[in-house]
Amino acid sequence: GAVVSQHPSWVICKSGTSVKIECRSLDFQATTMFWYRQFPKQSLMLMATSNEGSKATYEQGVEKDKFLINHASLTLSTLTVTSAHPEDSSFYICSARAPLGTGELFFGEGSRLTVL
Amino acid sequence: AQSVTQLDSHVSVSEGTPVLLRCNYSSSYSPSLFWYVQHPNKGLQLLLKYTSAATLVKGINGFEAEFKKSETSFHLTKPSAHMSDAAEYFCVVSVPGGYNKLIFGAGTRLAVHP
Repeated sequence: GAVVSQHPSWVICKSGTSVKIECRSLDFQATTMFWYRQFPKQSLMLMATSNEGSKATYEQGVEKDKFLINHASLTLSTLTVTSAHPEDSSFYICSARAPLGTGELFFGEGSRLTVL
Repeated sequence: AQSVTQLDSHVSVSEGTPVLLRCNYSSSYSPSLFWYVQHPNKGLQLLLKYTSAATLVKGINGFEAEFKKSETSFHLTKPSAHMSDAAEYFCVVSVPGGYNKLIFGAGTRLAVHP
């Protein structure tokens, strides 16, 4: 099946710094990618829909200035957590939709962010 | 609006016994439904999906689910649990429209005992 890769898989940063997480579709082009956040022992919460070449669509309650999303190419979307604080510590997961005809979403391995 | 409710937050079974993970859905449209599995600190893997074809859907690793419109259910089953099945399972509904957004249930943690 299609492969979606996230980097880094885990990151620790100091409060106030910014952290960038990359999501790549390795063997297919993805015009749409999704970013999810998962708190410990909880379900996934959709944060935003990332569209190649246009602005991301954020879900209600998600701060767009806090979580910057850029989808500069058909194989790469990035999530930047700006001025991170301990409450931003979480597991961030991206997914990409397979090419037309299947519609299946493929998920990355996730990125664990810990803000000290 | 689309939503899914997973009726059990935790399920514990013995190895070799059947597994039943329950899911009820709510949808204004004919839904697309999925089951995903997540092992600790890992991403998600698709087990199976229902997209209005056969109501009994077979997935990977011996799992299957039956879509029952009259009961608005999409329960996940497996005849015989294996230790490697221990993980978090999510029932998911797709929001119709151009982006195919997924709405996740709260998850069911499956424990398998020897």
